[in-house]
Amino acid sequence: NAGVTQTPKFQVLKTGQSMTLQCAQDMNHEYMSWYRQDPGMGLRLIHYSVGAGITDQGEVPNGYNVSRSTTEDFPLRLLSAAPSQTSVYFCASSYSFGNEQFFGPGTRLTVL
Amino acid sequence: KNEVEQSPQNLTAQEGEFITINCSYSVGISALHWLQQHPGGGIVSLFMLSSGKKKHGRLIATINIQEKHSSLHITASHPRDSAVYICAVLPTSGTYKYIFGTGTRLKVLA
Repeated sequence: NAGVTQTPKFQVLKTGQSMTLQCAQDMNHEYMSWYRQDPGMGLRLIHYSVGAGITDQGEVPNGYNVSRSTTEDFPLRLLSAAPSQTSVYFCASSYSFGNEQFFGPGTRLTVL
Repeated sequence: KNEVEQSPQNLTAQEGEFITINCSYSVGISALHWLQQHPGGGIVSLFMLSSGKKKHGRLIATINIQEKHSSLHITASHPRDSAVYICAVLPTSGTYKYIFGTGTRLKVLA
């Protein structure tokens, strides 16, 4: 099993550009989530999904979209990047909500 | 005030010392997770607790649901234990959202 994979590992964007952060898992997990991690603030939930076709907003959803067309993939789209979105982004998955979470390696995003 | 508070925020210890990291929360929960974030950034799950105590190697996690408090203990600490330890709770409010503490940064000196 590859576990949870994220691409890219690093990305630099200019303000206003859009991009998609990819997340995939091969463990047939139902629950997937995206977090951002900023210094001194801990992990904050952006969006989550409890299964294919079902997504919902987390704590900080503005400026981000998600979709879950398959169990395996949960991409995060930045619609129009802003410097405030400079952060480290983690994708995580678990068999169901409340079970052990498996985290991807993270994507370090800088918006200039 | 954050719903999940960790203490201390930073901790430096000598190799071999017994270490305790605390997590207090103000909401009703069904379970609590302890996570470890390595200096390289990767995050792994250490424990999931809903009551009592769990042990894995030199790591021990305890929880007191009534007192809304959990502790993570590291016995015979080693420099490779240097990491950020994060507490996350599962609220009983019916949402599918974890609430995270801001983490405790541990450095173990040789």
